[in-house]
Amino acid sequence: KAGVTQTPRYLIKTRGQQVTLSCSPISGHRSVSWYQQTPGQGLQFLFEYFSETQRNKGNFPGRFSGRQFSNSRSEMNVSTLELGDSALYLCASSLGQGREKLFFGSGTQLSVL
Amino acid sequence: SQQGEEDPQALSIQEGENATMNCSYKTSINNLQWYRQNSGRGLVHLILIRSNEREKHSGRLRVTLDTSKKSSSLLITASRAADTASYFCATDPPASGGSYIPTFGRGTSLIVHP
Repeated sequence: KAGVTQTPRYLIKTRGQQVTLSCSPISGHRSVSWYQQTPGQGLQFLFEYFSETQRNKGNFPGRFSGRQFSNSRSEMNVSTLELGDSALYLCASSLGQGREKLFFGSGTQLSVL
Repeated sequence: SQQGEEDPQALSIQEGENATMNCSYKTSINNLQWYRQNSGRGLVHLILIRSNEREKHSGRLRVTLDTSKKSSSLLITASRAADTASYFCATDPPASGGSYIPTFGRGTSLIVHP
């Protein structure tokens, strides 16, 4: 079974631009969660999607958004990029039945210049 | 704010020694999980311990949970250079609407010298 796939692996953008990150979960997994990881803040929860609906949302500004498609693939979008958005963005999938282990992708390393 | 906090922040040991990491959390939990992350990569699930369990083993890993102290420890026995990684605990505190949001600490960075 293929693991969680995140694309692209690396991304360099400039301030003010927008970016879209993609995540393909493990086949059969219906829940996709997104995390932002920075050296200072650790892993911060962004949002979780289940069956195309946002089920939970972390404490991030509205510039951060996401969606999930009928095949469970998910995209995350960040508009009007700021220098502080530079981070490793991790996607995790699970069956979505709650309180279970997460399967993580390798992440997208975003650098904002 | 972080629900779980790992301690120490960094740990440096020699191959063959044991490594112990601790996690403290603030609210009641249903379970606690430990994950490992190699530099710049995704996290890999190691072990899950439920709130009604006190100890769990998986290979060279031993996890304990003390709900009265709101703390957990991860012991890696006979460490190897390949164990070099960051280790995170994740808890599931109650969230709005009863939903489940695993909350991670900042991690313990373990270096095992050959």
